[in-house]
Amino acid sequence: DIQMTQSPTSLAASVGESVTITCLASEDIYGSLVWYQQKPGKSPQLLIYGATILEDGIPSRFSGSGSDTQYSLKINSLQPEDFASYYCQNGLSTPWTFGGGTKLELK
Amino acid sequence: QVQLEESGPGLMQPSETLSLTCTVSGFSLTSNGVGWVRQPLGKGLVWMGTIWAGGSTNYNSAVQSRLSISRDTSKSQVFLKMNSLQPEDTGTYYCARQMGAPFDYWGQGVMVTVSS
Repeated sequence: DIQMTQSPTSLAASVGESVTITCLASEDIYGSLVWYQQKPGKSPQLLIYGATILEDGIPSRFSGSGSDTQYSLKINSLQPEDFASYYCQNGLSTPWTFGGGTKLELK
Repeated sequence: QVQLEESGPGLMQPSETLSLTCTVSGFSLTSNGVGWVRQPLGKGLVWMGTIWAGGSTNYNSAVQSRLSISRDTSKSQVFLKMNSLQPEDTGTYYCARQMGAPFDYWGQGVMVTVSS
């Protein structure tokens, strides 16, 4: 199974700041990396797939990058609604495995 | 618009069999896959299994021996059945549409508690 390791597990930032969350795969996933946002009490929402492709309707302040085993999610100019948990997912092969999550909190 | 809605019992006893239904609208089960994802309270996401557009299934090996996913395309419903429930099966169960690997639309989730 492909293991997905996210860092940091939690992060405090202020509105207007930029943050980066990283995801490390245990093997090369050839750009097949997916990012989700989950707000408390809500279901996850697809943000990015194919490592860099923004899902329709997702603000452009979200961006993804990376290749091979290392991937990043960057959020520019944080807005109040961005404070949530973020998860990466291996999109290469089953079992579809998720990172442990990063909780982005308001400083 | 695409919608998914999970339904099923909220409280189960250990060793019982869980049956959940995911009713979908806005898309066809013969054109899209539907996966099930579990989230223990306060923890991360765990994929359990997927039924694909052609009817084939994939399961997480951790639960494969206890899990069955099926569907009724005429009713736009996907079913999850998992036997021999244990307290560690407690969590929120989501069904989600899959377009390949990404889960692009999710249901609101159903909380299942396994306790005696």
